[in-house]
Amino acid sequence: DTAVSQTPKYLVTQMGNDKSIKCEQNLGHDTMYWYKQDSKKFLKIMFSYNNKELIINETVPNRFSPKSPDKAHLNLHINSLELGDSAVYFCASSQDQGTGGTEAFFGQGTRLTVV
Amino acid sequence: QQPVQSPQAVILREGEDAVINCSSSKALYSVHWYRQKHGEAPVFLMILLKGGEQKGHEKISASFNEKKQQSSLYLTASQLSYSGTYFCGTLNYGQNFVFGPGTRLSVLP
Repeated sequence: DTAVSQTPKYLVTQMGNDKSIKCEQNLGHDTMYWYKQDSKKFLKIMFSYNNKELIINETVPNRFSPKSPDKAHLNLHINSLELGDSAVYFCASSQDQGTGGTEAFFGQGTRLTVV
Repeated sequence: QQPVQSPQAVILREGEDAVINCSSSKALYSVHWYRQKHGEAPVFLMILLKGGEQKGHEKISASFNEKKQQSSLYLTASQLSYSGTYFCGTLNYGQNFVFGPGTRLSVLP
């Protein structure tokens, strides 16, 4: 059983399109995250949700909108995709208050390529 | 405030030892270590919560010097499977968790 699963694994799309990445965790954790890993391998937190409530919202363009229908799901919708959005996006979950104090479990990543 | 990791990259032969350092400019509440193999997700190694704490995971261990605001990861008798990028993550008081830039470790036969 996959603990944190995200789909799709690969996403190639044209500039200007809108796309979504889905994430689900079956660990019973209260907190879920979206991280962006760029070509230099920097892992940067974008958002965290604790029990469906937004906890962390780092400086991210408002074209990125997370949605958490329940605490087991955190989806990421991106509008008007730009070349600079190309990266690997990781979903993660942990059992903490949303600031990242405990072990995080990561999904396998979604490699987004904007052409 | 992103922590600083050193070295940026290290190349070892199997059986050799390595130390990766992680330091913060602010007081640390906790330090986390993760390893990410190429093309895979980061995997948790350990968390250090108290100053002076040391933890071990097979032949990988870490220490946390709260006063110096730094942590070190020790890889002993490295194996090929240790290759990957090691990230420390730090939680400073009153701030959010943030990952360091990573240290790329290559273990050669």
